[in-house]
Amino acid sequence: QLLESGGGLVQPGGSLRLSCAASGFTFNSYAMSWVRQAPGKGPEWVSTIVGGGSATYYADSVKGRFTISRDNSRNTLFLQMDSLRAEDTAIYYCAKNPRRGSDGFYYCVDVWGNGTTVSVSS
Amino acid sequence: EIVLTQSPGTLSLSPGERATLSCRASQSVRNNYLAWYQQKSGQAPRLLIYGVSSRATDVPDRVRGSGSGTDFTLTISRLEPEDFAIYYCQQYGESPYTFGQGTKLDFK
Repeated sequence: QLLESGGGLVQPGGSLRLSCAASGFTFNSYAMSWVRQAPGKGPEWVSTIVGGGSATYYADSVKGRFTISRDNSRNTLFLQMDSLRAEDTAIYYCAKNPRRGSDGFYYCVDVWGNGTTVSVSS
Repeated sequence: EIVLTQSPGTLSLSPGERATLSCRASQSVRNNYLAWYQQKSGQAPRLLIYGVSSRATDVPDRVRGSGSGTDFTLTISRLEPEDFAIYYCQQYGESPYTFGQGTKLDFK
């Protein structure tokens, strides 16, 4: 199970930190991602972090502004969002990536959270 | 960036009928890393198919994925009321890992 929190209304240029509490699986064994969905649009991959936290990946649209991290001792995933823009307005989903072999993973999503809403507006 | 184009935009069918949804990629999908998701109103997406044709846990066998290269199809035979939703394809072979714009399956 994945439970997001931290969404809300923020002005352009502002910051938010999203959290995702994970349960029911061995958290540190899985890569985790954030995927967002703007109103009426398809989902959009945002960022992924490997199980140990040593590698991170970002979509170009958020690179340099968003930072993904995790605390495996607390089974929690984070997304620090800075310099927010109107086009970042979306539901943000915490997502678990399935494993590929013994140490790899796939960038599809086999478990989704319920999402937290981020609105960027003045 | 690989662009995924889904068709039709809306598919109107009745329970018991067969649904055929298309997903076309702007370039070949690496390793056939193509997934399908179902999303109901107000809910998160749910994984149905990965690797073009492998069903996810608890997905019934009347749901089938097929295709290769740039052309992929999701077929749902004998539609049940719970199948009426929006369906998205996703390629996860190459960054950025893009999704299609969706096909809405609604009641005729």
